[in-house]
Amino acid sequence: GAVVSQHPSRVICKSGTSVKIECRSLDFQATTMFWYRQFPKKSLMLMATSNEGSKATYEQGVEKDKFLINHASLTLSTLTVTSAHPEDSSFYICSAARDEQYFGPGTRLTVT
Amino acid sequence: QQQVKQSPQSLIVQKGGISIINCAYENTAFDYFPWYQQFPGKGPALLIAIRPDVSEKKEGRFTISFNKSAKQFSLHIMDSQPGDSATYFCAASPSGSARQLTFGSGTQLTVLP
Repeated sequence: GAVVSQHPSRVICKSGTSVKIECRSLDFQATTMFWYRQFPKKSLMLMATSNEGSKATYEQGVEKDKFLINHASLTLSTLTVTSAHPEDSSFYICSAARDEQYFGPGTRLTVT
Repeated sequence: QQQVKQSPQSLIVQKGGISIINCAYENTAFDYFPWYQQFPGKGPALLIAIRPDVSEKKEGRFTISFNKSAKQFSLHIMDSQPGDSATYFCAASPSGSARQLTFGSGTQLTVLP
């Protein structure tokens, strides 16, 4: 099967700092990766589509300067939450697309 | 037109019973319909998916029924088990790919022992 990993699984950071989340496709190359945000008991909200070697496409309402996405290789995409605030606390999930979208295990971000 | 409406929001079923979750869509460009299972604190996992050229797909205890004219599809879990307790999301995508998934709002399933 297709395996997608995320690192870290949990992170706590102080308000005003930046935090980077990595998403890796372990056994396939993914030209497209997606980043989602999920609030408790809610559905997945697409934040952006990340294409290898090009700029990410952000969904309406998502601040591209706050959520920096880099897709430097066919197996790695990173999401950096810059100048994090408590309202950025959430569960962030990435996926990598091959024939299907394969989801990572998620990263729980808590901003204190 | 991009929405996928999912019901019920929550569902409680006795062990051995049938769990049924329904979804409806408007966008006729959708032609790929997956279901995802998500456990607390984990990412979603693909459970089963269907394309509109068939009306039903079965994999083990999980069946998708698809009604193209009504633009509805549903997930049936037969012989529900406590281990099936999770949140289930339907989704839809155009052009036969998983690249632009629109998710339903989710159904929290609890299977009582």
